[in-house]
Amino acid sequence: SAVISQKPSRDICQRGTSLTIQCQVDSQVTMMFWYRQQPGQSLTLIATANQGSEATYESGFVIDKFPISRPNLTFSTLTVSNMSPEDSSIYLCSVEGPSNTGELFFGEGSRLTVL
Amino acid sequence: KQEVTQIPAALSVPEGENLVLNCSFTDSAIYNLQWFRQDPGKGLTSLLLIQSSQREQTSGRLNASLDKSSGRSTLYIAASQPGDSATYLCAGTSSNDYKLSFGAGTTVTVRA
Repeated sequence: SAVISQKPSRDICQRGTSLTIQCQVDSQVTMMFWYRQQPGQSLTLIATANQGSEATYESGFVIDKFPISRPNLTFSTLTVSNMSPEDSSIYLCSVEGPSNTGELFFGEGSRLTVL
Repeated sequence: KQEVTQIPAALSVPEGENLVLNCSFTDSAIYNLQWFRQDPGKGLTSLLLIQSSQREQTSGRLNASLDKSSGRSTLYIAASQPGDSATYLCAGTSSNDYKLSFGAGTTVTVRA
């Protein structure tokens, strides 16, 4: 399995501000995935982050709103920019495990509340 | 695009009863199917992964089956305990684009 640490675990933010979420993995991984889980909803993929290249965003998500960094094979950040109450969600980082079966492992998530 | 549905949305059982959670998917070209557990406000814990070539996987009291022809997976939890109370999510990876699609989850309450 993979051990994933996310910071912050939760935060309360003011409208119009930006917050950066960090994701640290205990092993080197090629791809890291960022998901959003809105209240009462299931998970939606925001983007896939590969080291050394631009992140690939899913339909409905744009780089200006959710810029992603991937400086090395164990770390990534997701920034939620110019936040509004609609951005209140749990944001989760995910990676594939080392067994090459496609099994995904998740961090504990970052719970953001925007006032 | 793979669509994943979980029914029921919520389930309440007395302790000791066996749990049966259902997951259906629309595209039989599935690469793998994964079951997760999520506690309130927390991240996801991987429970079982079934690859397309497998029909079931077992871990302790948990057993998950996969029937690609009918587009269904079932998670069985034997002899449920209050600690099993959580939301259970299934997610299927399509063989076409290797993207993971999640169901909305089944929230389980096991009454002591």
